[in-house]
Amino acid sequence: GAGVSQTPSNKVTEKGKYVELRCDPISGHTALYWYRQSLGQGPEFLIYFQGTGAADDSGLPNDRFFAVRPEGSVSTLKIQRTERGDSAVYLCASSRSGGGSQYFGPGTRLTVL
Amino acid sequence: GESVGLHLPTLSVQEGDNSIINCAYSNSASDYFIWYKQESGKGPQFIIDIRSNMDKRQGQRVTVLLNKTVKHLSLQIAATQPGDSAVYFCAELIQGAQKLVFGQGTRLTINP
Repeated sequence: GAGVSQTPSNKVTEKGKYVELRCDPISGHTALYWYRQSLGQGPEFLIYFQGTGAADDSGLPNDRFFAVRPEGSVSTLKIQRTERGDSAVYLCASSRSGGGSQYFGPGTRLTVL
Repeated sequence: GESVGLHLPTLSVQEGDNSIINCAYSNSASDYFIWYKQESGKGPQFIIDIRSNMDKRQGQRVTVLLNKTVKHLSLQIAATQPGDSAVYFCAELIQGAQKLVFGQGTRLTINP
């Protein structure tokens, strides 16, 4: 299909480890978003890319979280020194341009032991 | 702070009946709203959207109503089917920003 894809689908790591989560947006979509969803809650915004640049990173909880999108397509969310509280589903979405409908991927379930 | 919330956390309806899911929002500057459906283990699936210059929009078996006076949004699903069972979220796009603000969701259960 031509939807947003995310890898891995599940990631289990130990406290203190580094993880990378990958997102492949819909082809041609210039805007890319990362959200985090805790159990029983709605997704919460983390960061928004327009092209290669992070246009809004106000949702990143602290400096352990970082995201890149070097070529304006694939994005990687990086979490350093993971903590148990980082356990959640990390969702990626894309839209044709900023301000339009956002289409979500299946998410990566991160579990920090 | 600004938030989007839902009146009911759970809703059960009989198969074939119509269902209405409600949502209240608090940011009067929001100008775009989306309803998403989320099934267990999957990402949110776009259902229908509406801009603030409209008060009603219809899709296939779904209708979204927007009442800006009372900051209320609703999703109507006609002739519900077992496949409609899911958690439904409303989300608003903050004007001038690109981030969606989601509510906690309503779990819709379709009874046979």
